[in-house]
Amino acid sequence: GAVVSQHPSRVICKSGTSVKIECRSLDFQATTMFWYRQFPKQSLMLMATSNEGSKATYEQGVEKDKFLINHASLTLSTLTVTSAHPEDSSFYICSARDERLAGGTPSSYNEQFFGPGTRLTVL
Amino acid sequence: AQRVTQPEKLLSVFKGAPVELKCNYSYSGSPELFWYVQYSRQRLQLLLRHISRESIKGFTADLNKGETSFHLKKPFAQEEDSAMYYCALSEADSWGKLQFGAGTQVVVTP
Repeated sequence: GAVVSQHPSRVICKSGTSVKIECRSLDFQATTMFWYRQFPKQSLMLMATSNEGSKATYEQGVEKDKFLINHASLTLSTLTVTSAHPEDSSFYICSARDERLAGGTPSSYNEQFFGPGTRLTVL
Repeated sequence: AQRVTQPEKLLSVFKGAPVELKCNYSYSGSPELFWYVQYSRQRLQLLLRHISRESIKGFTADLNKGETSFHLKKPFAQEEDSAMYYCALSEADSWGKLQFGAGTQVVVTP
């Protein structure tokens, strides 16, 4: 199957700094990627939909100025947590939609491939 | 509003026993339903989707629109089935956006 990578896998930063997380589709193109947040022992919560060449779409309650998303190429989306605070500490997961199966349509008949996640700890 | 409900946080079964993970959804349109699995220290991966009507690793799931359910079943659980299972829903024309249930931890004991 297709592979999605995330970098870094783990990051520890000081409060007030910004952290960038990369999500790459290694062997397929993805015009749409998704960013999730997962708290311990909880489910994945969708944060935003990253669209190549256009602005990201954020879910209700997610601060777009806090969580900057850039999808500059068909294989790379980045999530930047700006002015991080301890409450931003979480597990961040990205997924990429395989356009080849969906044929470039909004149809959901497709498989999403998930990255391994990035553990962010803000001190 | 919570669209996907998984009522069981933890399911503990013996090896060889049947296992059923419940999933109910709330959506008035035609949803796409999925089951994702996360084994220990591994990434989330697709187990099966309703539209494929397939059996993967002995698991099956049938979409019941009348009961708005998509329960996951396996007649004989194996120890390697121990994992976290998430039911997920994608609305029509949503470009694949997934809404996940809370997840069910399955523990299969010998």
